[in-house]
Amino acid sequence: EDQVTQSPEALRLQEGESSSLNCSYTVSGLRGLFWYRQDPGKGPEFLFTLYSAGEEKEKERLKATLTKKESFLHITAPKPEDSATYLCAVWENGNNRLAFGKGNQVVVIP
Amino acid sequence: NAGVTQTPKFRVLKTGQSMTLLCAQDMNHEYMYWYRQDPGMGLRLIHYSVGEGTTAKGEVPDGYNVSRLKKQNFLLGLESAAPSQTSVYFCASTLHLLPQETQYFGPGTRLLVL
Repeated sequence: EDQVTQSPEALRLQEGESSSLNCSYTVSGLRGLFWYRQDPGKGPEFLFTLYSAGEEKEKERLKATLTKKESFLHITAPKPEDSATYLCAVWENGNNRLAFGKGNQVVVIP
Repeated sequence: NAGVTQTPKFRVLKTGQSMTLLCAQDMNHEYMYWYRQDPGMGLRLIHYSVGEGTTAKGEVPDGYNVSRLKKQNFLLGLESAAPSQTSVYFCASTLHLLPQETQYFGPGTRLLVL
């Protein structure tokens, strides 16, 4: 069973059309939840760390939120440069590694 | 400050050949990681290191070996390549154990095993 499930797998948005990406997770104890951005042909780029339910973090048009079961990455008024794959990962208590989801591929159309 | 660099960028191997992938970071980071990324799957940890001279197994270590003789370098070796090792390999380094703004990934190495 996957620890991290991201939905939708792919999303096409019109420029300015706000939307949300979902990352649901199943761990016995969450030490941290992480969001990354990955552009084609490049390595992931760190975006946010969330540690506890109720926590929120923002960066430009992106806002990440966390509950006890899932995290959302809200994209407000997206621009074409927001097109990327967004990766979610969790760090479970007792482990020494990140468990990644398969990603949300976002395309923003001008 | 170059961040994390990976060598080579692309390589084609025949089954049974060996090769070494090099990861270098110039940020004095203690923690370094090797991941593989395959279509339809998330990034998976192969091996990692928590400091010079240390290495540990990750989620998918079979068929790979690693060494961290110098703090700035983390080498990933394939002794006898198999088609199942066709993938994109990413190295990452971080200052803290838990990823924060100080975590950086390299640009990746695309490996094709025929």
